[in-house]
Amino acid sequence: NAGVTQTPKFRILKIGQSMTLQCTQDMNHNYMYWYRQDPGMGLKLIYYSVGAGITDKGEVPNGYNVSRSTTEDFPLRLELAAPSQTSVYFCAGAGVSSYNEQFFGPGTRLTVL
Amino acid sequence: AQSVTQLDSQVPVFEEAPVELRCNYSSSVSVYLFWYVQYPNQGLQLLLKYLSGSTLVESINGFEAEFNKSQTSFHLRKPSVHISDTAEYFCAVSDPSGNEKLTFGTGTRLTIIP
Repeated sequence: NAGVTQTPKFRILKIGQSMTLQCTQDMNHNYMYWYRQDPGMGLKLIYYSVGAGITDKGEVPNGYNVSRSTTEDFPLRLELAAPSQTSVYFCAGAGVSSYNEQFFGPGTRLTVL
Repeated sequence: AQSVTQLDSQVPVFEEAPVELRCNYSSSVSVYLFWYVQYPNQGLQLLLKYLSGSTLVESINGFEAEFNKSQTSFHLRKPSVHISDTAEYFCAVSDPSGNEKLTFGTGTRLTIIP
């Protein structure tokens, strides 16, 4: 199993551009999550999904959108990139009754200039 | 709502010395507790977890953590650190609202001095 994979690894965007961060898992996780990690701030939950077709906002959803058309994929969309969205983004997955244990992807480092 | 506090943002330690990384949490209900480790330029990996039972839990690489309900703490310890332990360590607590969510602390960067 590849686990949770994310693409791209790095990306530089100009202000106002849009992009999609891809996340795919082959662990049959029902639950999937998007976090952003900023220095000294820990991980903040952006959006999460409890299954295909179901998504919900986390702590910091503004400026982002998600979709979950399949169990495996959970892309994160930035429509109008802003410098405040410069961060490292992590996708994670968890199974039903996994006692909250989450499995993380390797991350995407995004810079908005 | 629950929260996690990691008071030490950076901890420098000499190689082969002991270390303790502190974690305190607040929650009105029973929780599960986790320590994740993030090596440079990598994602987070589970280091150890407390679900129930014995309050002392261990990892395969020599770390241990003790759940202390009265002090609402879950401190991480290792008796002798190695250069390879250089990483950022995150404490996390389960979100009682369900959906397998976690609330993370702000992390502690452990630096091993040769």
